[in-house]
Amino acid sequence: GDSVTQMEGPVTLSEEAFLTINCTYTATGYPSLFWYVQYPGEGLQLLLKATKADDKGSNKGFEATYRKETTSFHLEKGSVQVSDSAVYFCALSGVAGGFKTIFGAGTRLFVKA
Amino acid sequence: KAGVTQTPRYLIKTRGQQVTLSCSPISGHRSVSWYQQTPGQGLQFLFEYFSETQRNKGNFPGRFSGRQFSNSRSEMNVSTLELGDSALYLCASSFGQGTTNEKLFFGSGTQLSVL
Repeated sequence: GDSVTQMEGPVTLSEEAFLTINCTYTATGYPSLFWYVQYPGEGLQLLLKATKADDKGSNKGFEATYRKETTSFHLEKGSVQVSDSAVYFCALSGVAGGFKTIFGAGTRLFVKA
Repeated sequence: KAGVTQTPRYLIKTRGQQVTLSCSPISGHRSVSWYQQTPGQGLQFLFEYFSETQRNKGNFPGRFSGRQFSNSRSEMNVSTLELGDSALYLCASSFGQGTTNEKLFFGSGTQLSVL
């Protein structure tokens, strides 16, 4: 079935380090891909999205490119800040059996000052 | 514009009891989805409602049920609670038009603890 696989966390980085969180997916058809972020004590909020192959989503310095050939949507940021500490979820929607968004297990990021 | 509101914020129940969680979507949103979040499993899809009709359902036992009212508010019920039902239950709303790039707006969740 359709699924999303993320790298396991936690990921611990120093401030200003480069961030990559890997995400791969399995899906029938042509899904849309998303990254959501969850700050402590809050629900998830959309960080960025891409709706077709080779699209690049970006927001708040984060970027991810929809790679159909490798079925991947890796999240990157050039210089992380302490305030980026959160749990990041990769997700897909628009697949067969629609009207649902499928999430990965989440990757917790800790950024040290 | 008010966000997605979930009540209560915290719940403590004992095994065998039942529980009802409530979700009020953003005004104008007609779709409500429910997810169970646990540390080991991430977010697991429970079900989605649109205009009072369940359009999709995840792989959860029949003890988990839901409904949606004409004002788009939704409730989720869990009967005969088990210890493994302890989790954060998240509700998300959207316009529900079925476009593939439609984003979800989440509430802060209800933290359920089963003792």
